[in-house]
Amino acid sequence: DTGVSQNPRHKITKRGQNVTFRCDPISEHNRLYWYRQTLGQGPEFLTYFQNEAQLEKSRLLSDRFSAERPKGSFSTLEIQRTEQGDSAMYLCASSSNGAGIQETQYFGPGTRLLVL
Amino acid sequence: DAKTTQPNSMESNEEEPVHLPCNHSTISGTDYIHWYRQLPSQGPEYVIHGLTSNVNNRMASLAIAEDRKSSTLILHRATLRDAAVYYCILRDVLNYGGSQGNLIFGKGTKLSVKP
Repeated sequence: DTGVSQNPRHKITKRGQNVTFRCDPISEHNRLYWYRQTLGQGPEFLTYFQNEAQLEKSRLLSDRFSAERPKGSFSTLEIQRTEQGDSAMYLCASSSNGAGIQETQYFGPGTRLLVL
Repeated sequence: DAKTTQPNSMESNEEEPVHLPCNHSTISGTDYIHWYRQLPSQGPEYVIHGLTSNVNNRMASLAIAEDRKSSTLILHRATLRDAAVYYCILRDVLNYGGSQGNLIFGKGTKLSVKP
């Protein structure tokens, strides 16, 4: 069990550019979550996958954001036409569906995005 | 999910017990109390959860008030590695299993541990 991994760990981009982040969940986990965290705040939910199906999207996820999880394994989060307000830590978490309310979400180390 | 209230920050001395409070006066009968913590430059990690009875695990203990309107996370002997932001989160068992399942974080309590 190598845990949840995220790449890259840091990304600096210029306003208007597109960026893509990758999340590799724990291998047997069928649930995958994306969260965003700004300085001094707790993480905020963005979207959720069960296997390859995207089941829930927060209103925070504007039309510039898109997430995919092909084949129900790794996931990507793309931000198009980045804005300075997109600067944040993007966290991925995975969990097992079978645990019910006992479900524990395992978080990756996050990707820190800075938009100049 | 019901809201929780936590102090913004707390300080502790190393090797002393720490009691981190959480108020959740609007908790419903189907809400579980979960605690996560976030060490500096890391993603959050699960600490403990409970419904009505007090719970213990290798990381911490969770004491739940009889009326369930508050709870306390107890670190029995704080170490420098326990310095983190601690989040108290309510999760409704009725929502879980559907399309919901995401955690709703507040600002948490930033715990500082002094050597």
